[in-house]
Amino acid sequence: DAKTTQPPSMDCAEGRAANLPCNHSTISGNEYVYWYRQIHSQGPQYIIHGLKNNETNEMASLIITEDRKSSTLILPHATLRDTAVYYCIVRPSTTGNQFYFGTGTSLTVIP
Amino acid sequence: GAGVSQSPSNKVTEKGKDVELRCDPISGHTALYWYRQRLGQGLEFLIYFQGNSAPDKSGLPSDRFSAERTGESVSTLTIQRTQQEDSAVYLCASSPGTPQYFGPGTRLTVL
Repeated sequence: DAKTTQPPSMDCAEGRAANLPCNHSTISGNEYVYWYRQIHSQGPQYIIHGLKNNETNEMASLIITEDRKSSTLILPHATLRDTAVYYCIVRPSTTGNQFYFGTGTSLTVIP
Repeated sequence: GAGVSQSPSNKVTEKGKDVELRCDPISGHTALYWYRQRLGQGLEFLIYFQGNSAPDKSGLPSDRFSAERTGESVSTLTIQRTQQEDSAVYLCASSPGTPQYFGPGTRLTVL
């Protein structure tokens, strides 16, 4: 799995968009970008994943650069409940093996 | 529908005792994973089951750790002769292929 780099922490004002960056400069052509988050004392929660096109679902948007070396997770209107550690992971979208979770970005949404 | 469930939610044991942790995956999910998360750290892969294939045990830290899964249903993680360094949250995830869906975890404390 390609290594990812994320800032250790970020703050965001409630109601504003939270933009969480991730660098994955060694990503391979068959590797997807996944985002999970972990709210304190809970198991990780799947958010979104994509290969090269931008993706959007009810939780977030994922913007992947054309060269696929970096991506940004966007929470369009952050709420206090979005305070969590956000993990960016790259791996082939096939069954098998594990997800390599790094230390992620600790997002704090400020009232 | 029901998500991944784990039991017990908390387990306190004495050093040297054996413990058994249980995971009930989402129905129909062929893949099941166990992870360990020490306080303030990322997830550490332990073992992976896929259908009737031989499990990937490459993440088990020692022969004190073992896991079983019956078909595509319940899995148990057993830790024999527990040590204080085994204290952690043990997370189970199941998947139909991709992505993984995590349970709430079992917090194990070894005194």
